[in-house]
Amino acid sequence: GENVEQHPSTLSVQEGDSAVIKCTYSDSASNYFPWYKQELGKGPQLIIDIRSNVGEKKDQRIAVTLNKTAKHFSLHITETQPEDSAVYFCAASEYSGAGSYQLTFGKGTKLSVIP
Amino acid sequence: EAQVTQNPRYLITVTGKKLTVTCSQNMNHEYMSWYRQDPGLGLRQIYYSMNVEVTDKGDVPEGYKVSRKEKRNFPLILESPSPNQTSLYFCASGPSPGQNYNEQFFGPGTRLTVL
Repeated sequence: GENVEQHPSTLSVQEGDSAVIKCTYSDSASNYFPWYKQELGKGPQLIIDIRSNVGEKKDQRIAVTLNKTAKHFSLHITETQPEDSAVYFCAASEYSGAGSYQLTFGKGTKLSVIP
Repeated sequence: EAQVTQNPRYLITVTGKKLTVTCSQNMNHEYMSWYRQDPGLGLRQIYYSMNVEVTDKGDVPEGYKVSRKEKRNFPLILESPSPNQTSLYFCASGPSPGQNYNEQFFGPGTRLTVL
């Protein structure tokens, strides 16, 4: 099955700096890669996703890049703000075509933005 | 408001006492899933359901049961809870494959402690 590795496990940045979180996956058949943000005491919330036919996607201060050859994808947050402090999870999904699929999650990155 | 709800949010119980955690979604999603979140292990899938009366095991199904009698509800049942099932549990739902890949919306979580 799919295996997703996420680095770093913790990340501290100064407010206004950029933050980068990287994930690698093992199954070349995976074709959907979402990123979730989990604030303290809440459930994970989808913030951006990318599909295997796209190399990069941007939404305001957040961007995700995908390298299918190397089987890795990254989350980039620019101009970080204190409210970006949270745990971020990457995930990879394989669609079997028979109506069955699963998300496999990385172990998470705790991002702290220091004012 | 579109949402996934879970009840209870917090539960302390004793070994062997059967319990049910309810999950309900109001987005008419076909897909529903249960995850557990443990420190250092990230999110691991317990069971998922592609539609009513269709359920399947995830990565860590031992000690759990589910049912999907209605589209909106997906309860998680622990017939004989043990201390190693102490964890934070999340229910999630999403559209079926072909509509929007594996986009999943998470509930607020249930913190379970088994003494």
